[in-house]
Amino acid sequence: NFMLTQPHSVSESPGKTVIISCTRSSGSIADNYVQWYQQRPGNAPTPVIYEYNLRPSGVPDRFSGSIDSSSNSASLTISGLETEDEADYYCQSSDNSDRWVFGGGTKLTVL
Amino acid sequence: QIQLVQSGAEMKKTGASVKISCKTSGYTFAHYLIHWVRQAPGQSLEWMGWINSANGNTLFSQTFQGRLTITRDTSASTAYLELNSLRSEDTAVYYCARFVRQQLVPWGQGSLVTVSS
Repeated sequence: NFMLTQPHSVSESPGKTVIISCTRSSGSIADNYVQWYQQRPGNAPTPVIYEYNLRPSGVPDRFSGSIDSSSNSASLTISGLETEDEADYYCQSSDNSDRWVFGGGTKLTVL
Repeated sequence: QIQLVQSGAEMKKTGASVKISCKTSGYTFAHYLIHWVRQAPGQSLEWMGWINSANGNTLFSQTFQGRLTITRDTSASTAYLELNSLRSEDTAVYYCARFVRQQLVPWGQGSLVTVSS
């Protein structure tokens, strides 16, 4: 099966913009939807982006998603960083048999 | 509101089995798949499989093929995960979640399974 590789950690200051990447090891990133989940310590994950770039209701428009076929990767962009955005972020996609894969997760620190 | 409430923490011996329940409410159970995801301490999320709540069809990660069973009881609006031949690496929080248009939402509160010899 394929893997989704994320940076282990990123950090940025409040008010700034951060981009978290998610690179697919095999198969095209454009062939299967990519979702992003936020997980705060001690809590279950919640979706922040689905179907590459759609936001669930209640997720602020500071969160956006995109894909880049040339690098076979997806990205989660969070602009106007707030301290409450500090969390772990996971990308997720599937193969053509509908088996899912999660990325290794990225710890976002807002300092 | 829509809720998924899971059974409590379990402590198991190596080689034993564990069965976790996920009781749903607030929506029509048969209309949505239920996925299971686990998270070992300090580790990433790991997808385990899903069940079609309407017809009971399942799909598993190949990692768990042969050790994992996912079932449901439509009369109780409840899904179940059973993992056999437990090893220490199976120590994790196990989550169920409802699948809605590519998203898992909401998630259960998680069930901690601790495996030791």
